[in-house]
Amino acid sequence: AQKVTQAQTEISVVEKEDVTLDCVYETRDTTYYLFWYKQPPSGELVFLIRRNSFDEQNEISGRYSWNFQKSTSSFNFTITASQVVDSAVYFCALSELTQGGSEKLVFGKGTKLTVNP
Amino acid sequence: DVKVTQSSRYLVKRTGEKVFLECVQDMDHENMFWYRQDPGLGLRLIYFSYDVKMKEKGDIPEGYSVSREKKERFSLILESASTNQTSMYLCASSFRIRGTEAFFGQGTRLTVV
Repeated sequence: AQKVTQAQTEISVVEKEDVTLDCVYETRDTTYYLFWYKQPPSGELVFLIRRNSFDEQNEISGRYSWNFQKSTSSFNFTITASQVVDSAVYFCALSELTQGGSEKLVFGKGTKLTVNP
Repeated sequence: DVKVTQSSRYLVKRTGEKVFLECVQDMDHENMFWYRQDPGLGLRLIYFSYDVKMKEKGDIPEGYSVSREKKERFSLILESASTNQTSMYLCASSFRIRGTEAFFGQGTRLTVV
């Protein structure tokens, strides 16, 4: 079965520090998708990014960047110059095809990021 | 904007009660999901549905059932609530296209006493 490991349970940084959230995955599929979601204190998960297994280009969106490396089965997320509003729980997720041919997401356990002023 | 709405934000029920958690989406998504979120365990899939009246078990279906009579609505049913079902329940929906993102509701925090 697919598996997603987020080894960092909690991270605490001071504002303006850079922080990297690690995500390691296991899959037998040759085609798969990886996702990052943010869960602020309000509770609703917000989609941040999707990557497919054939696209290893890194991506940057403002202060956010993502590093996908198939060789190490990792999809890490870096926040540059962190801000208090970045405080949230961040989840990495991996797509998995079901026996019925549908697709579901397998989530890691999440990393709680606290950015202190 | 995509909207996934869960009927209650907070719910308190007694052990043994039958509990219904409702979820409605307005984007014509084929897929709908129910997850539960517990500290240290992340999100675990309970059930999902890929079409009206169709369902598949997730990783932890025991003690739960679901109903999808209309495309926009997906209900999670706790036939006889127990204290170990106290948790945050999250509903999500997506198109039935490989690699598409799921959209989540705001969650229902259920406490069984």
